[in-house]
Amino acid sequence: DGGITQSPKYLFRKEGQNVTLSCEQNLNHDAMYWYRQDPGQGLRLIYYSQIVNDFQKGDIAEGYSVSREKKESFPLTVTSAQKNPTAFYLCASSTLEHRGDRNTIYFGEGSWLTVV
Amino acid sequence: GQQLNQSPQSMFIQEGEDVSMNCTSSSIFNTWLWYKQDPGEGPVLLIALYKAGELTSNGRLTAQFGITRKDSFLNISASIPSDVGIYFCAGYGPTGNQFYFGTGTSLTVIP
Repeated sequence: DGGITQSPKYLFRKEGQNVTLSCEQNLNHDAMYWYRQDPGQGLRLIYYSQIVNDFQKGDIAEGYSVSREKKESFPLTVTSAQKNPTAFYLCASSTLEHRGDRNTIYFGEGSWLTVV
Repeated sequence: GQQLNQSPQSMFIQEGEDVSMNCTSSSIFNTWLWYKQDPGEGPVLLIALYKAGELTSNGRLTAQFGITRKDSFLNISASIPSDVGIYFCAGYGPTGNQFYFGTGTSLTVIP
């Protein structure tokens, strides 16, 4: 099946720990994104990447880090510097307009992170 | 980042009724997208619009790309219980490489 796979679905983090959320896509999309969603809130952009080995901070990048070593993979690390990490995290991917594609963004199934 | 104005925030309707919601932006967009999100799940794309004035249907769902390129609406006809969820819009602009999202409309269908 084509799509975006996030893992794990549920993750518990102890205070002071770093945790990494996995995101893999087989849609051959150039761009990948990480969003944070809090209850009753809209999506907030954490990081995005348009090409391998390059990524840009979004609106709420503090306390998070990413890497883009392969086109299909964009893992997100939630560091101990993120003071309020409990949230629902969504990975997404899209084509890029300059390639002549119609820009559409697709989402993974999400990962719940809870601090214990 | 910019968030799109989406209304209404929530709707409670009887099964069989039609539903209408809309999104507006202060910026023009090249693309409007509509999604449905069930609790604890990722958003699922319902309809994609790529041209001003475009009207597209997907079953009981119909969406339109406003001619000003600053708005879009989604209609659901003859609602059923499985329509329950959060619907939100997304726009992609002519400048920058980001998608912007509405805050969502929570739909409850009463059998």
